[in-house]
Amino acid sequence: GEEVAQTPKHLVRGEGQKAKLYCAPIKGHSYVFWYQQVLKNEFKFLISFQNENVFDETGMPKERFSAKCLPNSPCSLEIQATKLEDSAVYFCASSQGTSDTDTQYFGPGTRLTVL
Amino acid sequence: GEDVEQSLFLSVREGDSSVINCTYTDSSSTYLYWYKQEPGAGLQLLTYIFSNMDMKQDQRLTVLLNKKDKHLSLRIADTQTGDSAIYFCAETFSGGYQKVTFGTGTKLQVIP
Repeated sequence: GEEVAQTPKHLVRGEGQKAKLYCAPIKGHSYVFWYQQVLKNEFKFLISFQNENVFDETGMPKERFSAKCLPNSPCSLEIQATKLEDSAVYFCASSQGTSDTDTQYFGPGTRLTVL
Repeated sequence: GEDVEQSLFLSVREGDSSVINCTYTDSSSTYLYWYKQEPGAGLQLLTYIFSNMDMKQDQRLTVLLNKKDKHLSLRIADTQTGDSAIYFCAETFSGGYQKVTFGTGTKLQVIP
């Protein structure tokens, strides 16, 4: 598709429950990025993929967070045993990954609320 | 360090020009972006500038870059109520491959 698609739009979980978010990058884009936007608008980079391979995971919390990009499937970000502080909007972005001049195109985000 | 700082809030009257400022610390940044985020919406890329440029104009938008002072600004001419949003400056070493580091965001309020 021509836009980055993210599902679901909203997700509500009780503390301790699992949350799984999905992202379909723009067709032909080989890089996928996940960002977390917390309540004060602060963006935090989580992880990026080059096709199905992890490219940069320096922002990924060591515990509870995992992500995958498998062939012919949407990418996913999973949070085990959610905590209140995981409440945020999670944005996915994709880029062609052919040049430094490529830009990242962002999806509409998934708003996760942990109660 | 990778801090990108912006003022939190800006209020302007419709028809006036808006200037949103940003300072960054990572001198290795090659690409500097301005994104717009409307309430409840995703990020819209407005414009970007390469670090070897000092100005870029795109319709009502003018980006100025002072690389020596690590200062970036976005000027919106003839500001409209539809420009009300949060504006983020952002930097990256490589747009296609590397993470983007965002500023703290400036909320622009346009008064009719």
